Amino acid sequence: GQNIDQPTEMTATEGAIVQINCTYQTSGFNGLFWYQQHAGEAPTFLSYNVLDGLEEKGRFSSFLSRSKGYSYLLLKELQMKDSASYLCAVLDSNYQLIWGAGTKLIIKP
Amino acid sequence: GAGVSQSPRYKVAKRGQDVALRCDPISGHVSLFWYQQALGQGPEFLTYFQNEAQLDKSGLPSDRFFAERPEGSVSTLKIQRTQQEDSAVYLCASSPEVRGGYNEQFFGPGTRLTVL
Repeated sequence: GQNIDQPTEMTATEGAIVQINCTYQTSGFNGLFWYQQHAGEAPTFLSYNVLDGLEEKGRFSSFLSRSKGYSYLLLKELQMKDSASYLCAVLDSNYQLIWGAGTKLIIKP
Repeated sequence: GAGVSQSPRYKVAKRGQDVALRCDPISGHVSLFWYQQALGQGPEFLTYFQNEAQLDKSGLPSDRFFAERPEGSVSTLKIQRTQQEDSAVYLCASSPEVRGGYNEQFFGPGTRLTVL
């Protein structure tokens, strides 16, 4: 079966750095997405990785290792508004998005 | 410009009732997706449209679920004879490209369906 694993919940302090990990086992791989979802709102796109390595975009960076089936999302200079769920999703061989359950990130002052 | 909109935002149905959920994608977007998101879970794929053609309905959980996009823009997800396990948030997403490869999806706010 297809499986995306990420921690259920993480807590971090305002101004700090946090890394949210995602491991996956899917039938085929056509890229990995990270989305942010505030409670009761729509998911919004953060990043897309299809090649190994680090993609940096402002305070957010995303890393991919295809050989390890592993990705992480790195958030720097945390702000209170970063409190949200972070969803990892893999595009499988049928170009369907397979989603993880999301990591709820709690930011404390 | 306007994003993806969905209506109603909230729907309460009695078990056995039929419901219809509407999605207005971003104008000109070719692809439209429906997802089901249970509380505390990630979205699960239901179906995919490329313009008016329903190219993938492999995620629809039963024949009580039906989706259409007759003119290649607005889409409706219909659930017949609702059951309690249908309670979830139904998300619609659209994309300017056909499905395949990098394909950022723009999500609507969802319809929260509660079946009593």
